[in-house]
Amino acid sequence: RKEVEQDPGPFNVPEGATVAFNCTYSNSASQSFFWYRQDCRKEPKLLMSVYSSGNEDGRFTAQLNRASQYISLLIRDSKLSDSATYLCVVILGTGGFKTIFGAGTRLFVKA
Amino acid sequence: DVKVTQSSRYLVKRTGEKVFLECVQDMDHENMFWYRQDPGLGLRLIYFSYDVKMKEKGDIPEGYSVSREKKERFSLILESASTNQTSMYLCASSTYGQNSNQPQHFGDGTRLSIL
Repeated sequence: RKEVEQDPGPFNVPEGATVAFNCTYSNSASQSFFWYRQDCRKEPKLLMSVYSSGNEDGRFTAQLNRASQYISLLIRDSKLSDSATYLCVVILGTGGFKTIFGAGTRLFVKA
Repeated sequence: DVKVTQSSRYLVKRTGEKVFLECVQDMDHENMFWYRQDPGLGLRLIYFSYDVKMKEKGDIPEGYSVSREKKERFSLILESASTNQTSMYLCASSTYGQNSNQPQHFGDGTRLSIL
């Protein structure tokens, strides 16, 4: 079983749709959580951190459920420019060394 | 803004050559990482370093070595390049978090082809 699992997709949605991605992690030592976005043939870029209380950044909402060991990302009012691969990232312990990247969920937003 | 700079965007080398990939960060980060990314395999950690002259193997260190002589610079070395090392190589850095982990920031990547 992978330490961080994501639905690979692809998710194909029309502009304006709401789309949700889930990510599960298996290691109870997981301390910090992030969502990254990666465009085709580009480097991953930090989208947002994920906090236990849930957090929002414009059209993006991230949530963490420690009891069930999953993280979610909700994108409202999808734009064409949201088309990308979304990576779920977990850091174990402290220090920032042990970082585990999910394989990513591919999103296509169509006009 | 964090800036992680990789020396080349595209590189073509021949089998058996010794290849150097350089990475420099300007944020005084303690941690630096080298990954490779291949279609369908996601990001795989090759080596990381948490301090000058310190290095730790990642998940796929075979065929690679690293060097960190200065805090801002982390070099990846392919001792004798082989065709199965053709890949996208990504460098990242992050600050050491004693109480909270900080996210990694990536360079633009180097697309390396070994012929």
